[in-house]
Amino acid sequence: DQQVKQNSPSLSVQEGRISILNCDYTNSMFDYFLWYKKYPAEGPTFLISISSIKDKNEDGRFTVFLNKSAKHLSLHIVPSQPGDSAVYFCAASGNKAAGNKLTFGGGTRVLVKP
Amino acid sequence: EAQVTQNPRYLITVTGKKLTVTCSQNMNHEYMSWYRQDPGLGLRQIYYSMNVEVTDKGDVPEGYKVSRKEKRNFPLILESPSPNQTSLYFCASSLWGIANSPLHFGNGTRLTVT
Repeated sequence: DQQVKQNSPSLSVQEGRISILNCDYTNSMFDYFLWYKKYPAEGPTFLISISSIKDKNEDGRFTVFLNKSAKHLSLHIVPSQPGDSAVYFCAASGNKAAGNKLTFGGGTRVLVKP
Repeated sequence: EAQVTQNPRYLITVTGKKLTVTCSQNMNHEYMSWYRQDPGLGLRQIYYSMNVEVTDKGDVPEGYKVSRKEKRNFPLILESPSPNQTSLYFCASSLWGIANSPLHFGNGTRLTVT
């Protein structure tokens, strides 16, 4: 049973518009959430994170929103650029009692059209 | 350059022939981990290590072994590979565990077991 789910396997957006990627989780022990970006033939790279004590974290064009009651987080990319075309993974980790594991979603492939 | 290096990048082998995928990091990171990526399943953790001589199982450890004799190296060993271990493998490291310490990934090893 997947504890972190990204229900949209792909997303296509026009350059300059907003990209919204969604992620749902089921484990209430998760308290730290991250987004990773992956280009073909490369390893994932860290993009942005959020702790469960916050509901929003912003870094340039990237903003992550966390809704703990709904166990839902989203990544907004504004404005989207062609270089943002990649696979995006949502990931979650728990506290020490939950083990030092990072659980990933299945990924969303984003295509930004010029 | 700070990096995680995996070798080989591509490997084709036959069922039952023992193999080792090497992983090395030059960032003096305490934490290292192995993941496998399969379509629709995202990245799933195989094993992780909090420090030298300390290793623990991730979510899918069956059929794999690891060792952490030195801080910089964390090889993944498949004693008797089977076709269901055909996958894309990533090694990753972080400064001190995954809470508030993003992972740095290698570029991956694509393994095919026939």
